[in-house]
Amino acid sequence: DIQMTQSPSTLSASVGDRVTITCRASESISNSLAWYQQKPGKGPKLLIYKASSLESGVPSRFSGSGSGTEFTLSISSLQAEDFAIYHCQQYHDKYSFGQGTTLAIK
Amino acid sequence: QVTLRESGPALVKPTQTLTLTCTFSGFSLDTSTMCVSWIRQPPGKALEWLARIDWDDDKYYSSSLETRLTISKDTSKNQVVLTMTNMDPVDTATYYCARLRGVGRPFDVWGQGTMVTVSS
Repeated sequence: DIQMTQSPSTLSASVGDRVTITCRASESISNSLAWYQQKPGKGPKLLIYKASSLESGVPSRFSGSGSGTEFTLSISSLQAEDFAIYHCQQYHDKYSFGQGTTLAIK
Repeated sequence: QVTLRESGPALVKPTQTLTLTCTFSGFSLDTSTMCVSWIRQPPGKALEWLARIDWDDDKYYSSSLETRLTISKDTSKNQVVLTMTNMDPVDTATYYCARLRGVGRPFDVWGQGTMVTVSS
């Protein structure tokens, strides 16, 4: 099974900051990588698919990059509503998720 | 608008069988390429994929759990059902269903989840 490792586990930042979250796959997954945002009591929301494609309706301050085994999610200018948990997921071979990154207000 | 809603018991006893239902709207599992998956998240832990059922009734399971899982669909009711046998306290989690618009695609819409506690 493909293992996904996210870092950091927790990230503290302020409104207006630029932040980056990293996700590594245990083997190459090409660009079969998605990023999700999850808020308390809700199911995850798809932000990015195919490593860098923005899901319809998602603000352009979110961006993704990478291929193979290393991927990043960046948020260019944090807004109050962006403080949440972020998950990466591979869908190259079945499905597996990173352990999540909590983005907290500094 | 696509929506999914999970339902099932909030509490099950160890060794019992869990049955969860995902009721969806805004799409049909009769439509080519549509799929529905189940995913769970134990408290404070990572998301874990469990199973997927496709429009053509193909079924796929997590390698570590496949002996305990069965997924099925009732297209007339717009429902997908997951059963998990021999429940254990480590299966305590929030269980989600989600839609995929095809194989090799991510989960584009999720339900809000249903919390299941396994305890005697």
